[in-house]
Amino acid sequence: TQLLEQSPQFLSIQEGENLTVYCNSSSVFSSLQWYRQEPGEGPVLLVTVVTGGEVKKLKRLTFQFGDARKDSSLHITAAQPGDTGLYLCASDSWGKLQFGAGTQVVVTP
Amino acid sequence: DAGITQSPRYKITETGRQVTLMCHQTWSHSYMFWYRQDLGHGLRLIYYSAAADITDKGEVPDGYVVSRSKTENFPLTLESATRSQTSVYFCASKGGDIKTQYFGPGTRLLVL
Repeated sequence: TQLLEQSPQFLSIQEGENLTVYCNSSSVFSSLQWYRQEPGEGPVLLVTVVTGGEVKKLKRLTFQFGDARKDSSLHITAAQPGDTGLYLCASDSWGKLQFGAGTQVVVTP
Repeated sequence: DAGITQSPRYKITETGRQVTLMCHQTWSHSYMFWYRQDLGHGLRLIYYSAAADITDKGEVPDGYVVSRSKTENFPLTLESATRSQTSVYFCASKGGDIKTQYFGPGTRLLVL
């Protein structure tokens, strides 16, 4: 079982500020997924990263995969209240997902 | 409705009772999964199924039973509920050749 550590656990910022959340493991990821979960709903996939050093952008969200494929980050530029949610990273192992505990992000107007 | 649905959305039960949580998907996805979500633990895999009549244990299977007689349904049964099974339960599905899992809206279970 691969242990995924997410930091910080909680982040509260003002609208317009930038934020970064992290996902780390002691072992190599075959691939890594980032999900966002809103209250009362299931997680929704944002992105999958596979290649070491890979950078993917989704509007104001930038996802980076570490060169050694042991860490990943999610950066949000000019956060908006709609970005509020629980951000989860997950590693994929033979079709089964192992999740981190998540980072709760709150963006206030 | 198309997609993945769970029922009930909320359930209160007592210790020792049997409870079944339902999951239904309309995509004919081969894989289905059950997770529980607790504070500080993220989502943990309980059971999964690669196809009808094929199921396997995940990380936290004790106290749970699953079956999959039809591709579209994957019920989760708590044979004798315990307080430690109070949680939010999520069902998910995915096609065989893709990595994306699609999650249902969850069932909030409280065991008194």
